[in-house]
Amino acid sequence: ELKVEQNPLFLSMQEGKNYTIYCNYSTTSDRLYWYRQDPGKSLESLFVLLSNGAVKQEGRLMASLDTKARLSTLHITAAVHDLSATYFCAGARGSWGKLQFGAGTQVVVTP
Amino acid sequence: ETGVTQTPRHLVMGMTNKKSLKCEQHLGHNAMYWYKQSAKKPLELMFVYSLEERVENNSVPSRFSPECPNSSHLFLHLHTLQPEDSALYLCASSQEAGGPETQYFGPGTRLLVL
Repeated sequence: ELKVEQNPLFLSMQEGKNYTIYCNYSTTSDRLYWYRQDPGKSLESLFVLLSNGAVKQEGRLMASLDTKARLSTLHITAAVHDLSATYFCAGARGSWGKLQFGAGTQVVVTP
Repeated sequence: ETGVTQTPRHLVMGMTNKKSLKCEQHLGHNAMYWYKQSAKKPLELMFVYSLEERVENNSVPSRFSPECPNSSHLFLHLHTLQPEDSALYLCASSQEAGGPETQYFGPGTRLLVL
């Protein structure tokens, strides 16, 4: 069974500083996804990482995947208030690509 | 409308009621999903449909009954629910079940069972 662990579960960020969220998974995952959820809202897709060494960047967010270490990271550069949200990673397993989500990392960015 | 829509957005029901949640996707996708998001657990997959056929039932109690009449619509029929079933129910769709593309989520139905 695929298990996905995120840390930290809560991250208080100062504006302008850099931070990293870690996503470890227990067994082989075909691919790794990152989502963002604002309070009371649905999940918004951020990145899909399909292979070892994959790196994707969008604005201040950069995600990477190391399948050998079973680790994905979401790096935030120069945090701004608009990035306050809960970030989820999810691995895919099985023939139907079932997503197994981590518990989420709640990010709060303060001045 | 675009993307994935869900109705109702909020629902309060008693344990003896029967209600249904509706999901519609306007993306031309072939796979649809139901997820449960509660405060104490990570997002949990409930059901997967591929081209209107249920391909995954993630050990969900029978008081939840899904229905997929076509590839654009997905329902979740609810009956004799328990208070612990109170949660946010999210519908999602993707191009293919098991494909590499991301899943697109609807806004969710927030359910309260009294």
